[in-house]
Amino acid sequence: TQLLEQSPQFLSIQEGENLTVYCNSSSVFSSLQWYRQEPGEGPVLLVTVVTGGEVKKLKRLTFQFGDARKDSSLHITAAQPGDTGLYLCAGGNDYKLSFGAGTTVTVRA
Amino acid sequence: NAGVMQNPRHLVRRRGQEARLRCSPMKGHSHVYWYRQLPEEGLKFMVYLQKENIIDESGMPKERFSAEFPKEGPSILRIQQVVRGDSAAYFCASSHGTGFTDTQYFGPGTRLTVL
Repeated sequence: TQLLEQSPQFLSIQEGENLTVYCNSSSVFSSLQWYRQEPGEGPVLLVTVVTGGEVKKLKRLTFQFGDARKDSSLHITAAQPGDTGLYLCAGGNDYKLSFGAGTTVTVRA
Repeated sequence: NAGVMQNPRHLVRRRGQEARLRCSPMKGHSHVYWYRQLPEEGLKFMVYLQKENIIDESGMPKERFSAEFPKEGPSILRIQQVVRGDSAAYFCASSHGTGFTDTQYFGPGTRLTVL
């Protein structure tokens, strides 16, 4: 079983602050995805990273895949209340995705 | 709405009853996956199906659980004789292909509560 650990488990910040969420594993993955899940809904894909050392930017969100393809981070700049949600990382080598338990982010207005 | 559809969104069953969860993949997708999310835990892979075939059911409990994806109609996850431990959110995802860059799109889930 490939385990993905996310930290922190909970994060509460003020609007306008920055935050970083981490995803670590002892296993190597061919790809790593970040999803955001709203209460009562399914996960929605934010980004897929496939190359070690890759950095992708999506507006205020920056995603990084570790050089060894075992870890990743998600950085949000100037967080807004709309960024509130459960952030999940998932590693894949084929069709079977292994998910972390998630980081619950709350951005206070 | 061309997204993955699941129904029902909420399902309440008493212990010993059967639960049937349905999933219609995105248009053009022939690969369907089922995941289970328990409180405070990440999503866990259960089964991967293509039309009329179960490809990988390694994550599915050996007893009481079954899945199908018929030639016509939605994919069905069936849980017989439900127990309280089956209470969870069950998510279906679909993809166009199965390469590691093929995105899996998730449905809104079915929340199963076993009384």
